[in-house]
Amino acid sequence: QVQLQESGPGLVRPSETLSLTCTVSGGSISGSYWSWIRQPPGKGLEWIGYIYYSGNTNYNPSLRSRLTLSIDTSKKEFSLKLSSVTAADTAVYYCAKLTIQSRSHFFEYWGQGTLVTVSS
Amino acid sequence: DFQMTQSPSSLSASVGDRVTITCRASQSISTYLNWYQHKPGKAPKLLIYAASSLQSGVPSRFSGSGSGTDFTLTISSLQPEDFATYYCQQSYITPPYTFGQGTKLEIK
Repeated sequence: QVQLQESGPGLVRPSETLSLTCTVSGGSISGSYWSWIRQPPGKGLEWIGYIYYSGNTNYNPSLRSRLTLSIDTSKKEFSLKLSSVTAADTAVYYCAKLTIQSRSHFFEYWGQGTLVTVSS
Repeated sequence: DFQMTQSPSSLSASVGDRVTITCRASQSISTYLNWYQHKPGKAPKLLIYAASSLQSGVPSRFSGSGSGTDFTLTISSLQPEDFATYYCQQSYITPPYTFGQGTKLEIK
């Protein structure tokens, strides 16, 4: 059973860069797609982007200009960097394993999420 | 703009009830529709993928149906552990993957 755990600062100043890491355990990071999803307080889920184990990425167009995803297969970790943050980026951030079967793409395993607050 | 709309937004029901949640896409998404259960402070859980395939380990009281633009998640007999928020998610028109706004299922 794959398990994921998010880690990173819970407070980020406006205009700075939000950085999170997700550690994968219970399975291989290779051969799979890894994703980030967030949920602002009181709102729904928003897909941020995904990274393939090879390093190929696919980003939400609404965040593309500020977003960088990276992966370190030797450490079984993948990471998110979101620059120039504002209060609108305050959210619970989840990492998840994206499983692709034909054109069916679904988030099969999720972390418990980490709250990131953007505030001065 | 492509949209996923869930109804109802919230629902009160009793243990043992049969419950149906609906998800509507603004254009056809074939059967590329998934359902998740989310409890506060917990990791969201995949219930149904490809509209009607039950994820391994998920109780058989959960079922999904639909194709094109209209989809349903049915819980045949509510159990106490089923009270949660449920989300649909499409993977036909991407990027981005989009979720419905959620349906909060509460105890009556």
